[in-house]
Amino acid sequence: GAVVSQHPSRVICKSGTSVKIECRSLDFQATTMFWYRQFPKQSLMLMATSNEGSKATYEQGVEKDKFLINHASLTLSTLTVTSAHPEDSSFYICSAPQGDRQETQYFGPGTRLLVL
Amino acid sequence: GQQVMQIPQYQHVQEGEDFTTYCNSSTTLSNIQWYKQRPGGHPVFLIQLVKSGEVKKQKRLTFQFGEAKKNSSLHITATQTTDVGTYFCAGWIWYGKLTFGQGTILTVHP
Repeated sequence: GAVVSQHPSRVICKSGTSVKIECRSLDFQATTMFWYRQFPKQSLMLMATSNEGSKATYEQGVEKDKFLINHASLTLSTLTVTSAHPEDSSFYICSAPQGDRQETQYFGPGTRLLVL
Repeated sequence: GQQVMQIPQYQHVQEGEDFTTYCNSSTTLSNIQWYKQRPGGHPVFLIQLVKSGEVKKQKRLTFQFGEAKKNSSLHITATQTTDVGTYFCAGWIWYGKLTFGQGTILTVHP
């Protein structure tokens, strides 16, 4: 199946700093990528849809100025958590769709963010 | 907005017992997908069901999609310790958004 990578896999940062997470589709092009956040023992919550060449679409309640998304190419989307606070600590996962109708999602391995 | 409810939240079984998790959507789905997430890992795609009443099998796993395309189930026969993890259903509606159920955390006692 398709491969999606994420970097870094784990990051610890101080409160107030910004953290950039990269999501790459390794063997296919993705005009759309999705960013999810998952708290322990909870489901995946869609944060935003990253669109190559245009602005990201954010879900209700997600601050676009805090979670900056850039879809720079057909294989790369980045999520920057700006001025991170401890409540932003979570597991961030990206996915990219593939298939005839772009419905099957291939997930990256996720990034565990801990804000101290 | 669209909601996908999944039950139970937790299921503890003895190895060899069967396991079932159920999903119900508030709206008709274009398709439903199932994912497995191992502890500490990321969701891995298992299967997609598209047709009304569809049933698919993968070894000991049986997936069903309801006639109204609003509910689905995953049944595991004779669980093994390797089945441990969280099973998520995710419903896809026509305008291209995947909504995940809450997940069922399965533990299997040897």
